[in-house]
Amino acid sequence: GAVVSQHPSWVICKSGTSVKIECRSLDFQATTMFWYRQFPKQSLMLMATSNEGSKATYEQGVEKDKFLINHASLTLSTLTVTSAHPEDSSFYICSAAGGRPNTGELFFGEGSRLTVL
Amino acid sequence: GQQLNQSPQSMFIQEGEDVSMNCTSSSIFNTWLWYKQEPGEGPVLLIALYKAGELTSNGRLTAQFGITRKDSFLNISASIPSDVGIYFCAGHRSNDYKLSFGAGTTVTVRA
Repeated sequence: GAVVSQHPSWVICKSGTSVKIECRSLDFQATTMFWYRQFPKQSLMLMATSNEGSKATYEQGVEKDKFLINHASLTLSTLTVTSAHPEDSSFYICSAAGGRPNTGELFFGEGSRLTVL
Repeated sequence: GQQLNQSPQSMFIQEGEDVSMNCTSSSIFNTWLWYKQEPGEGPVLLIALYKAGELTSNGRLTAQFGITRKDSFLNISASIPSDVGIYFCAGHRSNDYKLSFGAGTTVTVRA
């Protein structure tokens, strides 16, 4: 399957700082990437859809000014958690569409664990 | 996306036993996908199903796309310790790659 890589895999930061997480599709071009948040023992919660060259589409209840998404190229999307607070601590996962058109196949990154002190 | 009804929530099984889990929805899906997630990792695609009634195998894994297009099951035969993890079903029905996920089935294998 297609390879999606996230960086960093974990990060610890102080409250009030901003953290950037990168998501790269390594062996294919992804016009669409997704960002999810996952709490312990829960399913993936879609935060936003990242489209190359255009603004991200955020799910209801997700603050777009807090979770900045940039998809500047076909292989890279970034999620920046601005002015992070302890309640933002979570496991953030990206995915990219790399399968046959319109099949829904998504390939996920390894995830990034954010801990805000 | 819409949450799918996935069951069971968790399973504790002996090594060598078979495992079965399923997902149901009130809506029709065009594609059903099964993922496995291990602790601290992202989900890994196990099986993708594209047609109603389709039965697909991947090693010891077998999954079926329900004939009504509203359900799917995943079977794991002769479980081994490395089968431990959380298994998620996901459904897709539009052209935008957005998936709906089940709540996950946590599988624990006892040696």
